[in-house]
Amino acid sequence: GQSLEQPSEVTAVEGAIVQINCTYQTSGFYGLSWYQQHDGGAPTFLSYNALDGLEETGRFSSFLSRSDSYGYLLLQELQMKDSASYFCAVLLDDKIIFGKGTRLHILP
Amino acid sequence: DAGVIQSPRHEVTEMGQEVTLRCKPISGHNSLFWYRQTMMRGLELLIYFNNNVPIDDSGMPEDRFSAKMPNASFSTLKIQPSEPRDSAVYFCASSPRVGNTEAFFGQGTRLTVV
Repeated sequence: GQSLEQPSEVTAVEGAIVQINCTYQTSGFYGLSWYQQHDGGAPTFLSYNALDGLEETGRFSSFLSRSDSYGYLLLQELQMKDSASYFCAVLLDDKIIFGKGTRLHILP
Repeated sequence: DAGVIQSPRHEVTEMGQEVTLRCKPISGHNSLFWYRQTMMRGLELLIYFNNNVPIDDSGMPEDRFSAKMPNASFSTLKIQPSEPRDSAVYFCASSPRVGNTEAFFGQGTRLTVV
């Protein structure tokens, strides 16, 4: 089977940095993705890591450690519009399996 | 391209009725996924298609659920008969090719079964 674990909620202050962790347990693994979903909206793709290390895209970065079955999403210079749910997802035999999501609350 | 298009956006139906959700994937995309989202269970993969062929339907909760993809530009998810516990947001997503890491989601159908 497979499982992805991420915190259900995280709270941070506007302008700060926040890290959302994800651990996974899968029978096969190709890579780890991150998606963002605003209330009432659809999930949208943020990033993908196939290899170990850090991938940076603007204010967002994503990290993967395959040996530790662990990854994280790092959001810098937080803005109120970053308030959303963030999902890690694994590519498994051509299908995309999602974690239950982390709701990010941002305080002014 | 207009993106993945789902209809209807909202559906309210009575228990026991048949419900059909529709999806038009992005043109040229070869993979199509149906997901169900609830607070309790998160985003669950119900079924996915590659080149119009159902590959894995192990996520379909029970025989009341069925999905078809008669051609590359259209898919349906049918629930017959519907039950209150089917209430959820149903998303359709497509991706360019098998094994692609990025899925493009439609805006979803919010289904309420009373």
